[in-house]
Amino acid sequence: GAVVSQHPSWVICKSGTSVKIECRSLDFQATTMFWYRQFPKQSLMLMATSNEGSKATYEQGVEKDKFLINHASLTLSTLTVTSAHPEDSSFYICSARGGGAAYEQYFGPGTRLTVT
Amino acid sequence: QKEVEQDPGPLSVPEGAIVSLNCTYSNSAFQYFMWYRQYSRKGPELLMYTYSSGNKEDGRFTAQVDKSSKYISLFIRDSQPSDSATYLCAMSGGSGGSNYKLTFGKGTLLTVNP
Repeated sequence: GAVVSQHPSWVICKSGTSVKIECRSLDFQATTMFWYRQFPKQSLMLMATSNEGSKATYEQGVEKDKFLINHASLTLSTLTVTSAHPEDSSFYICSARGGGAAYEQYFGPGTRLTVT
Repeated sequence: QKEVEQDPGPLSVPEGAIVSLNCTYSNSAFQYFMWYRQYSRKGPELLMYTYSSGNKEDGRFTAQVDKSSKYISLFIRDSQPSDSATYLCAMSGGSGGSNYKLTFGKGTLLTVNP
């Protein structure tokens, strides 16, 4: 149980275009979803927290107008990178929790974004 | 000072060795301490969690938390080549609101050589 999927797993886009990444909880209802970014050989950095039906809470330094997060249902959250630039190239990982303690947070397999 | 410090390694050991991985932290509000394993280009998977101070054992893995020293460890006994991965420590304040957020260490890249 507790499976989280992400789509796509890998995407290449041109500079200036927008890219949408989906995060789905497959076998539980996710009241909260988290979006992380991970650069090579670096740790996961939390970008934002989203609760179903509410606006996302962004971490300091993360541009909310550039990284649009929507958590419209209890099983789906989306991250849209708008007007992507090469410096946005990174590994984006979502996690989801349905309740319980902090460790009961399940990670997706990640999406590798390359902006050319 | 970063909230969570972890030596990124890399760490290379022979098969069968005991591996010791460590993290230090500065935020005394952390209550949950987790260890994740991450294979290359994959999402992290939870290995173990500990609440507050103490030890926890699960098979070949032992997690230790010393809150007085703000120091946590993960020990891997009889290490196997399949244990080769990046190991991330993560911490959380516990329940409620922003306390569910996880703060990660940088990760330690471990290679177990056959």
